[in-house]
Amino acid sequence: GAVVSQHPSWVICKSGTSVKIECRSLDFQATTMFWYRQFPKQSLMLMATSNEGSKATYEQGVEKDKFLINHASLTLSTLTVTSAHPEDSSFYICSATFGAGGGDEQYFGPGTRLTVT
Amino acid sequence: AQKVTQAQTEISVVEKEDVTLDCVYETRDTTYYLFWYKQPPSGELVFLIRRNSFDEQNEISGRYSWNFQKSTSSFNFTITASQVVDSAVYFCALSEAGNNNDMRFGAGTRLTVKP
Repeated sequence: GAVVSQHPSWVICKSGTSVKIECRSLDFQATTMFWYRQFPKQSLMLMATSNEGSKATYEQGVEKDKFLINHASLTLSTLTVTSAHPEDSSFYICSATFGAGGGDEQYFGPGTRLTVT
Repeated sequence: AQKVTQAQTEISVVEKEDVTLDCVYETRDTTYYLFWYKQPPSGELVFLIRRNSFDEQNEISGRYSWNFQKSTSSFNFTITASQVVDSAVYFCALSEAGNNNDMRFGAGTRLTVKP
């Protein structure tokens, strides 16, 4: 149980275009979903936290208007990279939790590798 | 703010050797949670363990063991009799109870096990 999927698993887009990444909790309702970014050979950096039906909370330094997060249901969150540029190329990972308190296990998706040319 | 330090960037061992991955953390919360994840070349994170700050018992799971010491703010991970399949990047992470589940990861340790 507690499976999280991401789609697509990889995407190549041209500079200036937008790309949407989906994160789904397949067998549970996620109270909270998280989006992380991981550059090559680096750690995971939290980008934003989103709760269903409310606006996402972005980490300092993450542009809200560039990385649009929509958490419309308890099983789906989307991350849209708007006007993508080569520096946005990265591995994007989402996670989901069905707990209500700190320290609840996060279930991670398999990641989406974005390449902007 | 919480912080996790994994001082070992890369470790290389020969198969069957034991290896310990270090993790040191900082937090002001009295209630917090520590995690270890494995990230193989495929990229998908594999959950290994979660411990809360009130449980300092060491844990063993097969060839894996964890040593949690609050006195030194460390949560070290040991692989006994390493195997080539253990080659991966290992991340230690910290989540504070009062911080909306936000999880902060260490920089990771890349473990290479040679045959």
